[in-house]
Amino acid sequence: KAGVTQTPRYLIKTRGQQVTLSCSPISGHRSVSWYQQTPGQGLQFLFEYFSETQRNKGNFPGRFSGRQFSNSRSEMNVSTLELGDSALYLCASGSGRQETQYFGPGTRLLVL
Amino acid sequence: GIQVEQSPPDLILQEGANSTLRCNFSDSVNNLQWFHQNPWGQLINLFYIPSGTKQNGRLSATTVATERYSLLYISSSQTTDSGVYFCAVQTQGGSEKLVFGKGTKLTVNP
Repeated sequence: KAGVTQTPRYLIKTRGQQVTLSCSPISGHRSVSWYQQTPGQGLQFLFEYFSETQRNKGNFPGRFSGRQFSNSRSEMNVSTLELGDSALYLCASGSGRQETQYFGPGTRLLVL
Repeated sequence: GIQVEQSPPDLILQEGANSTLRCNFSDSVNNLQWFHQNPWGQLINLFYIPSGTKQNGRLSATTVATERYSLLYISSSQTTDSGVYFCAVQTQGGSEKLVFGKGTKLTVNP
């Protein structure tokens, strides 16, 4: 059974640009959650999608958005990038029934 | 919201030593998971343990939900055990949101 995949793995952008990250969950999983990890703030919840609907959202500005497709793949978008958006972005795949969640390898974003 | 505190923040061991990592949480939880973050940043599942005790090789975990804490035991540590260990809890029904502690950074020296 394939694991959680995230693309791209590394990304360098400049301030003001926008970026789209992708996450493909484990086959059969319908929930995808996104997290931002920075040295200062640790792991913070961004949002969760279940069956194409946003089910929960963290305390991030509106520049951060996401969506989920009918095949459960999810994308997150960050517009008008700021230096502080440099982070490791992780996605988690779950059944949607509060069982074990599995994380992808992450996307490292550097904003210059 | 719920607070998740992990201790110690840093731990340095010699290979072969045993260790105990602790996770305290401030409110009742639906579920709890322990993860190991490898040097490349990926979070590797160790245990899904909302209550009780589980063992997997040299690792074991115990969660006492009524007293709001969980413990991760590592026995006969190896250099490959180095990394950051996170505890994460789920509190909201109908959501997969995980609230993470700040982690324990473990260094195992040869």
